[in-house]
Amino acid sequence: EADIYQTPRYLVIGTGKKITLECSQTMGHDKMYWYQQDPGMELHLIHYSYGVNSTEKGDLSSESTVSRIRTEHFPLTLESARPSHTSQYLCASSEYGLADYEQYFGPGTRLTVT
Amino acid sequence: QKEVEQNSGPLSVPEGAIASLNCTYSDRGSQSFFWYRQYSGKSPELIMSIYSNGDKEDGRFTAQLNKASQYVSLLIRDSQPSDSATYLCAVTEENNNDMRFGAGTRLTVKP
Repeated sequence: EADIYQTPRYLVIGTGKKITLECSQTMGHDKMYWYQQDPGMELHLIHYSYGVNSTEKGDLSSESTVSRIRTEHFPLTLESARPSHTSQYLCASSEYGLADYEQYFGPGTRLTVT
Repeated sequence: QKEVEQNSGPLSVPEGAIASLNCTYSDRGSQSFFWYRQYSGKSPELIMSIYSNGDKEDGRFTAQLNKASQYVSLLIRDSQPSDSATYLCAVTEENNNDMRFGAGTRLTVKP
């Protein structure tokens, strides 16, 4: 069973605020990902990481940034939130091995920017 | 642009029937294939993975892969109302961390 956690689960915040969405996993997975998903729409990869000190941008252009200082932790930061950032943010991780590339998702953070 | 295509549905089946979900992909280099289930407002949950041609069965679920036709499907036998969800097809290339998701097929199982 996957153990991947996201906080907060829900966040309502005003325009211009700086926010950090937390993601942690206890499985020792090297790879971690951030996706953005609007209701009823497809997943879009915004950032991913191969391991500590590795971060890459995904397909979807995003004004967010990420860091990977520890294996288990992959926070996403928005320096100045805007209403267009309102969405669900999903964190995922995967392990390199026999079950290669199977991604396990956290519960998500639903962000509303007013 | 490498694509993963799914019929958006909704697909409606009666309880106890077989639900058949289909997915096609454009990249012939794709090596790993996954089905995720996503309930409304929840995160995706991995239900099946398949890496070689043929069928793979797990309980009421069967994944089928045909690399020559670039086609992967999911069969759900004895469908239950609790199977009502959006099913996402996902594909990765060999040695590539880029997992591409389809837009999902919404399945409704009617009692």
